[in-house]
Amino acid sequence: SYDLTQPPSVSVSPGQTARITCSGDELPKHYCFWYQQKAGQAPVLVIEKDTERPSGIPGRFSGSTSGTTATLTITGVQAEDEADYYCQSADTGGTYHVIFGGGTKLTVL
Amino acid sequence: EVQLSESGGALVQPGGSLRLSCAASGFPFTNYALSWVRQAPEKGLEWVSAITASGGDTFYADSVNGRFTISRDNDRDTVYLQMDSLRVEDTALYYCARYYERSGYYFFKHWGQGTPVTVSS
Repeated sequence: SYDLTQPPSVSVSPGQTARITCSGDELPKHYCFWYQQKAGQAPVLVIEKDTERPSGIPGRFSGSTSGTTATLTITGVQAEDEADYYCQSADTGGTYHVIFGGGTKLTVL
Repeated sequence: EVQLSESGGALVQPGGSLRLSCAASGFPFTNYALSWVRQAPEKGLEWVSAITASGGDTFYADSVNGRFTISRDNDRDTVYLQMDSLRVEDTALYYCARYYERSGYYFFKHWGQGTPVTVSS
């Protein structure tokens, strides 16, 4: 197993760009997935396979990777984007083993 | 519409046992692997266990290996998590989630709403 490290919190004003990072030594070998979790709700997938946006996810959400770091970018943040965000990747334990980052609380000021 | 509905969460004493259920609908149950993911109060997501579509293979996080058992009844479209020797640190909201696979990588597009488990004396 290994760790995926995220900043505990990110704060931005409405209309600005939020960037949430996820770092892990194994990330260059595996895809990264991103989930949004609003208070009291189940997680929602917002980015799959590093950069792909599932249907129904607004275009302001995008993903990228560079080396051992994956980044979720929210361009033109809206108040409704305030949530916890988690990265997820494959763990080293086997096919179905997955690992989550510790989560980042996005606050819209 | 894909639906996953968990039940069985409760308050239990340390060392006790509990069985969680997840009833699925809206998709061909026997085609998909399923997972349990938990979230301790004010904490992040933690993968707990997985079971293949046939039920022939099961997988566990180190933190629960040897204490939890995942199973499925493909006639009832239900997946279970038998939790034994429960510890205070097992206190969490337990989500059932359906795996999706793309290019050999597994992730989750559908989750239940979770069932709460509290381990306390």
